[in-house]
Amino acid sequence: EIVLTQSPGTLSLSPGERATLSCRASQIVSSTYFAWYQQKRGQAPRLLMYGASTRAAGIPDRFSGSGSGTDYTLTISRLEPEDSAVYYCQHYETSPGFGPGTTVDIK
Amino acid sequence: QVQLVESGGGLVKPGGSLRLSCAASGFTFTDYYMNWVRQAPGKGLEWISYISTSGSTIKYADSVRGRFTISRDNAKNSLSLEMNSLRAEDTAFYYCARAPLRGYSFLDRWGQGTLVTVSS
Repeated sequence: EIVLTQSPGTLSLSPGERATLSCRASQIVSSTYFAWYQQKRGQAPRLLMYGASTRAAGIPDRFSGSGSGTDYTLTISRLEPEDSAVYYCQHYETSPGFGPGTTVDIK
Repeated sequence: QVQLVESGGGLVKPGGSLRLSCAASGFTFTDYYMNWVRQAPGKGLEWISYISTSGSTIKYADSVRGRFTISRDNAKNSLSLEMNSLRAEDTAFYYCARAPLRGYSFLDRWGQGTLVTVSS
C-alpha cells in the first residue's frame, strides 16, 4: 500500500503570496499517476492537476504541479482569497490513496 | 453540463443496509468508468470502489470488500452502491465521481455527496 503524507498541515498566507504544498509517497509513484484536488468548505473536491503537472480544465495557470519519484509539489503562485481550501494529493498507480490534506488559510 | 447527483443517504443502525444512487447527465455515461469515494465528517478522502464502462470490471478497497457492491445501469445513466453490514466507521459523505482513465484513475467530476450515518 502506498501511503501519502502532506506538509505542512496548515499554511496561513496573505493574498498575492506564493503557496508551496508538498506530498510525499511511501514508495516511488510514477508522475503519470499523481493528482491534486481542492476542496472548499461544504463542497465536493475539485480536480486541479493530473499526471502531476497537467492542469485540469478551467484551472487557472496560478496553479502548477511538479515532482517525481516520491516527492510532489503543488504551487499556487499568487494566492487569491478564493484559494482558501483544503488541498489533497492522490496517487492512482495502484488502489488509489489520498493524502491527509493541507489547509490553506488566506489571511 | 456534467452533473452527478447522489441520493439515498440517511441514518441506519449498525448491521443495517442502505443503497446509494448517482444520477449522471451532461456526458456520455457509457464512455466512463465510475467511482465511489467517501469522506468521514471533518476527515480526509477514501477511495472505495470503481466499475468499468460495461460493469464487467469492479474493484473495491479492502475496507468495504465483501460488504459493498457497486453497479451501474447504462440505460438509465445511473450508478449505485449497495451497502450491507454497515458499521459506525462507514459514517461519511459518499461521493460518486467520474474517471477519465480505464482502471485506477484521477477523478475529474464529482457529485455533491450524500451523507450516510451509521448509529444506534
